[in-house]
Amino acid sequence: NAGVTQTPKFQVLKTGQSMTLQCAQDMNHNSMYWYRQDPGMGLRLIYYSASEGTTDKGEVPNGYNVSRLNKREFSLRLESAAPSQTSVYFCASRDGLAGVTDTQYFGPGTRLTVL
Amino acid sequence: AQSVTQLDSHVSVSEGTPVLLRCNYSSSYSPSLFWYVQHPNKGLQLLLKYTSAATLVKGINGFEAEFKKSETSFHLTKPSAHMSDAAEYFCVRYSGGGADGLTFGKGTHLIIQP
Repeated sequence: NAGVTQTPKFQVLKTGQSMTLQCAQDMNHNSMYWYRQDPGMGLRLIYYSASEGTTDKGEVPNGYNVSRLNKREFSLRLESAAPSQTSVYFCASRDGLAGVTDTQYFGPGTRLTVL
Repeated sequence: AQSVTQLDSHVSVSEGTPVLLRCNYSSSYSPSLFWYVQHPNKGLQLLLKYTSAATLVKGINGFEAEFKKSETSFHLTKPSAHMSDAAEYFCVRYSGGGADGLTFGKGTHLIIQP
């Protein structure tokens, strides 16, 4: 039982390049999330998917797109990377059946640098 | 959206002394509150959560938190700090207002002095 996995662990991009961050969970969870973590800011929600086939914007969605490929996988795409997107990205999932008391489980993170 | 405020960006204690990490939340009729811990270069791990079943919540590694509605607080405590407790701690709540996802405090960096 791996929980939430993310690939890659590290990535360096040049401004304007594109890339996709991958996330998968093996807990049969309904809801999945993408957050970014910046120094002194805590984590901020980029996008989420409450269930397979649905996605919604979070607090900081600009410059990102997401795809909920199936129940297990939720990817985050940067179409044209900018230095402001240098951050650590975390994927998370939760069951979604117990409402706001659910625990969110986090992946190990992807450290992205945009030059 | 609902918010949480962590009152200290850094807390330094000596090993073996009590730990207090402070968190206030914006008022809500029914907040769900969490404390997560992040060790250096690691992901986030749930320490404990408040779900209105009991105001004193016990978590892993000897941590506990008390929900005080009158003070809108959810402070994290531990009676005796250990070197392995050195980490970043986040007070967290569900965002509410129809938006899914969590709202994080800005974090408290806990330093343990030998």
